[in-house]
Formats: sequence, structure tokens, C-alpha cells
Amino acid sequence: DAKTTQPPSMDCAEGRAANLPCNHSTISGNEYVYWYRQIHSQGPQYIIHGLKNNETNEMASLIITEDRKSSTLILPHATLRDTAVYYCIVRVVGGGSNYKLTFGKGTLLTVNP
Amino acid sequence: DTGVSQDPRHKITKRGQNVTFRCDPISEHNRLYWYRQTLGQGPEFLTYFQNEAQLEKSRLLSDRFSAERPKGSFSTLEIQRTEQGDSAMYLCASSLARASGPQETQYFGPGTRLLVL
Repeated sequence: DAKTTQPPSMDCAEGRAANLPCNHSTISGNEYVYWYRQIHSQGPQYIIHGLKNNETNEMASLIITEDRKSSTLILPHATLRDTAVYYCIVRVVGGGSNYKLTFGKGTLLTVNP
Repeated sequence: DTGVSQDPRHKITKRGQNVTFRCDPISEHNRLYWYRQTLGQGPEFLTYFQNEAQLEKSRLLSDRFSAERPKGSFSTLEIQRTEQGDSAMYLCASSLARASGPQETQYFGPGTRLLVL
């Protein structure tokens, strides 16, 4: 799986949009971008994933650049409960591929009141 | 909503003792994963099952570790002769892999925090 690079920490004001960047310059054509987050002392929580098109769900939006070398997770209206470590993971999915998730250190997002 | 559950949530043991953790996946999920997370690090893959078959084991899984999923439902992870370095959060995840589609999302349980004294 391709390696990802994320800033170690970010701050965001409550109610504002949080934009979390991720670089994955060695991503392959069959690799998806997954985002998970982990609130303190809990298990990781799935947020969203995508291949090349932008994706949106009830939690967040995922913007993937046209060359797929980077992506941004957007939390449109951050709340205090969004304070967590956010992991960007690149992963081949399906067809006898490697199934495991390879986590880095992620980005600690702190939402301030 | 019956998500992934793990038991116990916390375990304190003395060095040299054996411990066993249980994971109950989301109903009908055919894949089950174990990960380990130490302080300040992201989770690291240990092993995974497709139904009852254990298909991959990380080199992190020493011979003191054994995992089972006897009926393709719940799984147990046993650590024999625990060492202080085994202190970590042990996470279980499950997923539904379909032959018809490439996408498979893993859903995690709350974890079991192990402290070896």
C-alpha cells in the first residue's frame, strides 16, 4: 500500500470547517483512499473512502485531486466531539489483495470552543 | 445497532500470566481482524480471518500469541506468558467481503486495554 503523509496536528474553531490534508504521491490506480478517526481511548471509526471522485456522506466530504496524489477530508461544521486523531489510509481493495489497514500516526485535530 | 463488541474492555495482569480476549463481530460479517495499538502510535495489523480460516499473520504475532475463530463468528486472541511489552490496546474489526464488489470497509470495536505489570 502507498504511504501517506499527514500533519501531526491541527486546530479548528468550533462551527468552522475543518480541512485535513493527506499526501499520497505514490498511490496506484487500484488504491482507494480511506479515512478513519479515533477519539481518545476508543476504537477507530470509519468516516469515508473514495477512489477518484469526490465523495460526501453524513459525516464528511472527501476531495481527491485529479492526479490522486493528495486528498482533503472536510468536516463542514466542526464540533468539540470531532476532536480526535484522523487517519488517512491508502489501500488496495478486492481481488485477492492485501486486506489489512496500514495506519500512520495521523493528524490530531483539536476543535476549540 | 449491534456493532463490534470486545470483552473485557480492560485487563490488568502480572508478567507471565496468560490472557484471553474475545471479539464478537457485526452479524454476518465474514472477515475479522485483530490489531494492536501502543501509546502514540496507529493500530498495527496482527492477523485476520475469512470465516473460520486464519489467512494472514503479521510477524508481530509471536508464537506466544494465538487467535481462533472456531465457528466463523466470534474470535479469541490469547497471549501466553505475557510480557510488559505486550501492554497495548488490542482492537478487533470486522467486514463483509462480497464477491461481487471490490469495496470492503472494516468496522472496529472499542478495544481491550491490556496492562502487564
